[in-house]
Amino acid sequence: AQSVTQPDIHITVSEGASLELRCNYSYGATPYLFWYVQSPGQGLQLLLKYFSGDTLVQGIKGFEAEFKRSQSSFNLRKPSVHWSDAAEYFCAVDNDMRFGAGTRLTVKP
Amino acid sequence: NAGVTQTPKFRILKIGQSMTLQCTQDMNHNYMYWYRQDPGMGLKLIYYSVGAGITDKGEVPNGYNVSRSTTEDFPLRLELAAPSQTSVYFCASSQLKGPNTEAFFGQGTRLTVV
Repeated sequence: AQSVTQPDIHITVSEGASLELRCNYSYGATPYLFWYVQSPGQGLQLLLKYFSGDTLVQGIKGFEAEFKRSQSSFNLRKPSVHWSDAAEYFCAVDNDMRFGAGTRLTVKP
Repeated sequence: NAGVTQTPKFRILKIGQSMTLQCTQDMNHNYMYWYRQDPGMGLKLIYYSVGAGITDKGEVPNGYNVSRSTTEDFPLRLELAAPSQTSVYFCASSQLKGPNTEAFFGQGTRLTVV
């Protein structure tokens, strides 16, 4: 069965620094891949998604993610983090929407 | 647009009580999902449905039941509440498989079993 792993439970970055959140998947074929963000006390919001084609996908709020088939990864990046980016980030795979455990992002002033 | 609506937002249950978490969506989505979210555990899929009359188990279905009599509604039933079911529950919906598949989430129901 497909699965998705987020190796980092918690990441702290300084405001203005770059960010990379890791996501690895296990699946026989190229799955559909998603990144969602959850602000405190809120539901989840889609940041971006990958189905096929260009391996670098752009999302909302200045986020992007790169699909690397050879590494079975779909890492989320942002060149300059803002304090409002503090949230929990979830990677999800395929259409039955199995989620990783999430990575909590803390942003230092 | 209302999107995905969950009720109630908060609930405290006693052990052994039963309750139904309501979920309705107004986007005519065929796929609907129920998740529970526990600290440090991410979201775990409880049940999902690919259309009215069709439901299937997810990763953690024990202790829960669902039904899907209409496209809009996907209630989650807890028959005998247990402390292990204390969690935040999210309902979501999405279109059929394909490039536009994006799950839309409700605001969640925080359930405490005491």
